[in-house]
Amino acid sequence: DAGVIQSPRHEVTEMGQEVTLRCKPISGHDYLFWYRQTMMRGLELLIYFNNNVPIDDSGMPEDRFSAKMPNASFSTLKIQPSEPRDSAVYFCASTTSRNEQFFGPGTRLTVL
Amino acid sequence: AQSVTQPDIHITVSEGASLELRCNYSYGATPYLFWYVQSPGQGLQLLLKYFSGDTLVQGIKGFEAEFKRSQSSFNLRKPSVHWSDAAEYFCAVGARYGGSQGNLIFGKGTKLSVKP
Repeated sequence: DAGVIQSPRHEVTEMGQEVTLRCKPISGHDYLFWYRQTMMRGLELLIYFNNNVPIDDSGMPEDRFSAKMPNASFSTLKIQPSEPRDSAVYFCASTTSRNEQFFGPGTRLTVL
Repeated sequence: AQSVTQPDIHITVSEGASLELRCNYSYGATPYLFWYVQSPGQGLQLLLKYFSGDTLVQGIKGFEAEFKRSQSSFNLRKPSVHWSDAAEYFCAVGARYGGSQGNLIFGKGTKLSVKP
């Protein structure tokens, strides 16, 4: 298995632009998670899905952030408009119930 | 409230020395327990996990952890540290029951530096 796939690996954009991060979970996994990691705040859970349905989005910082999971093999995290404080590494992870989460390599986002 | 505490933000050990990273949790019932490692610029990789049975679990890279129910702890150990173990280590817990069994609560991490 290829593991969790994230794209792009690096993204540099200017303030105000729309950013879309993509994630392909491991086949057969029914949970998908989006995390954000910064030096200041550490690892933060943004949102997670179970069977493509958002279960908990209380970690989404504000309305500029949105996430979708149109099918079991694809999810997006969108930031519109982006701001410099959104600069972070964004991780996607997937799992089955009562099991360890498998993390993707992350997308390093820099907003200038 | 459910929480995971890693009291040591940063630890430095000499290569070849033993290592123990502490993890305490607050949870309604005995959770599933995990240790992850994150090398610089990488994602999180599972080191080991405890679901049930023997409270001393072995993981990859020579790590082990011991679950102590009475202390709500799951400390990570390694008898002899290698320079390549320098990384950040995260403890995490997950629910055995209920509707959010895929979700994990992570500690804030312990950064390990290794002196030559």
